[in-house]
Amino acid sequence: QVQLVQSGAEVKKPGASVKVSCKASGYSFTAYYIHWVRQAPGQGLEWMGWINPDSGGTNYAQKFQGWVTVTRDTSITTAYLELSRLTSDDTAVYYCARGDVTTSTDYWGQGTLVTVSS
Amino acid sequence: EIVLTQSPGTLSLSPGERATLSCRASQSVNSRYLAWYQQKPGQAPRLFIYAVSNRATGIPDRFSGSGSETDFTLTISRLEPEDFAVYYCQQYGSSPLTFGQGTKVEIK
Repeated sequence: QVQLVQSGAEVKKPGASVKVSCKASGYSFTAYYIHWVRQAPGQGLEWMGWINPDSGGTNYAQKFQGWVTVTRDTSITTAYLELSRLTSDDTAVYYCARGDVTTSTDYWGQGTLVTVSS
Repeated sequence: EIVLTQSPGTLSLSPGERATLSCRASQSVNSRYLAWYQQKPGQAPRLFIYAVSNRATGIPDRFSGSGSETDFTLTISRLEPEDFAVYYCQQYGSSPLTFGQGTKVEIK
């Protein structure tokens, strides 16, 4: 069965960086995009960007360009989200999700809580 | 960027009642790429409807989606206890992908 398993919760200080992983299994990793979506406490869903695991090509929402990087390692079917220059506004649950052109994001990881606090 | 506005913000209904959730887009959604997600506290969102009216795997037929261009609706014909949750619409026809702010369906 399709599974996306994310790395554990992180606590970071302002100005630091964090890297969240998303291990995919149960399907052909290179056949589907991986999207990243975040959700601040008590708030809605915010799309951040996607990666094409086959080509490595990426697309980011404008507000995340320049300080968010999405990468992948096809040998271990894992995608990564790296955020730099963290502020308290980046405290959120970060989700990875499998992307399909027809069904949008059909399988989601369990989420990774990133807390930014001094 | 396509802005999605959901209404109402909260819907208070009893089990067995019909729920009608609205999602309005600031411009036409390309190729009918409009989805609906359910999210329960502490859980990841779950895809319920894609391409406006197609139920995702395992979604019961009391859930239906309709609409076109800028106006979309998610209908739950008869609410079951497990249906009380937050629902988000999402457009994925153009970048950036965007979500509505959510409608909470709560028990009256």
